[in-house]
Formats: sequence, structure tokens, C-alpha cells
Amino acid sequence: KAGVTQTPRYLIKTRGQQVTLSCSPISGHRSVSWYQQTPGQGLQFLFEYFSETQRNKGNFPGRFSGRQFSNSRSEMNVSTLELGDSALYLCASSLGLAGGRVYNEQFFGPGTRLTVL
Amino acid sequence: KNQVEQSPQSLIILEGKNCTLQCNYTVSPFSNLRWYKQDTGRGPVSLTIMTFSENTKSNGRYTATLDADTKQSSLHITASQLSDSASYICGQADSWGKLQFGAGTQVVVTP
Repeated sequence: KAGVTQTPRYLIKTRGQQVTLSCSPISGHRSVSWYQQTPGQGLQFLFEYFSETQRNKGNFPGRFSGRQFSNSRSEMNVSTLELGDSALYLCASSLGLAGGRVYNEQFFGPGTRLTVL
Repeated sequence: KNQVEQSPQSLIILEGKNCTLQCNYTVSPFSNLRWYKQDTGRGPVSLTIMTFSENTKSNGRYTATLDADTKQSSLHITASQLSDSASYICGQADSWGKLQFGAGTQVVVTP
């Protein structure tokens, strides 16, 4: 079974631009979560999508948004990029079963390395 | 303030030796505690997931323990191998499914 894929793997942008990152979950997984990882802050939860609906949200400004399509693929968008947005953006997929969703194992993709100049 | 704290920040161990990593959490209400291994340039890989009713869980040479009273967890690596060199991240989920992670412990195994 193919793992979680993320595209692109590397991205360089300048301040003020916007960026869209893509995540394809493992086949059959309906939940996709996004995380930001930086050396100083570690892994921080951005949001979770399940069946095209945002089910959970972290403490990030509105410049960070996402969506999920009917095939469970997800995109994350960051508008008006700031230098501090430079990070590794990871997505993780899981079955997202309603009854035990908090216990579902998450499978991470390789991440997209975003550099903002 | 991060509600999941890990120690040490980094450690170097000799191949074949054991080591223990610590994780203290304060996120409430508690649902489950997870340990991940992250190799350089790759996404984290799940090692163990424990609910509050589980004290110990093993995955090969990795053994995680959980003390729900003191809100502490540890990850013990037995007979370390060079391939164990990685960052080990502790994460805690609350009952709504939100995960919070520690900053990680960087482990370097030397020959």
C-alpha cells in the first residue's frame, strides 16, 4: 500500500507571496492532519480534515487554511508569507474512525520544506 | 508554554548500550500518549500509542511506559543500534483528538 505523499518536497518563496501544499493520504484513510515543524517550536498542529470538513484546529492565524476533496486529498494554503513561516510542513493520514478517532494511528508523509526569503 | 516537555534535549550513546528518554505532559483531558521516531529528512513514524490504562507498551527494542498519576512517560531503547540515531518525539492527544508534541530528543548512536 502506498504511503502518504506530499508535493512539492521543497519550495522557496518570498515574503508576501502565497503557497499551496498538497497531501495525498493512504488509500482508505479519511482523516488528514497538517503540522508545522520548526527547530524552535517542534511539531505544532495546524488542522485536521475528515470527510471534507475541518474537524479540529490549532492556534494558527487565519493566513493558514486548508481544504479536503472528496477523494480525501488535502491542500494547505498559506497567504501573505512571513519569514517565520519557513518550516517543514507535514501531513498525516489516519482512518479517522468517529468512535476511536483520538486513538487512530497517524501515518506521516515526508513533508514539504518551505523556505521564505 | 509547551504542555509536553521532553528531556534530555540530546544524548550520545555507544552502540549496544541502553538509554531512556523522558516526557512530561500536562495537557488535559488526557486521551493517549504517543512516541514517534523521526529520521533526518523524513516524517515521524509511530513507535507506540498508550491510553491512560496502559502502563507499558513495547515495539521491538523500544519500550514505552506511562505513569498517569505523575503525568510522565519514558521511552527505553535497548541494545541501541546505529539506525536508532534519530529524533524521538513525544505527543499527547486530548479527548478531542488534538495532538500536542514535545520538542523531541535527538539521539546519536556512535560505533
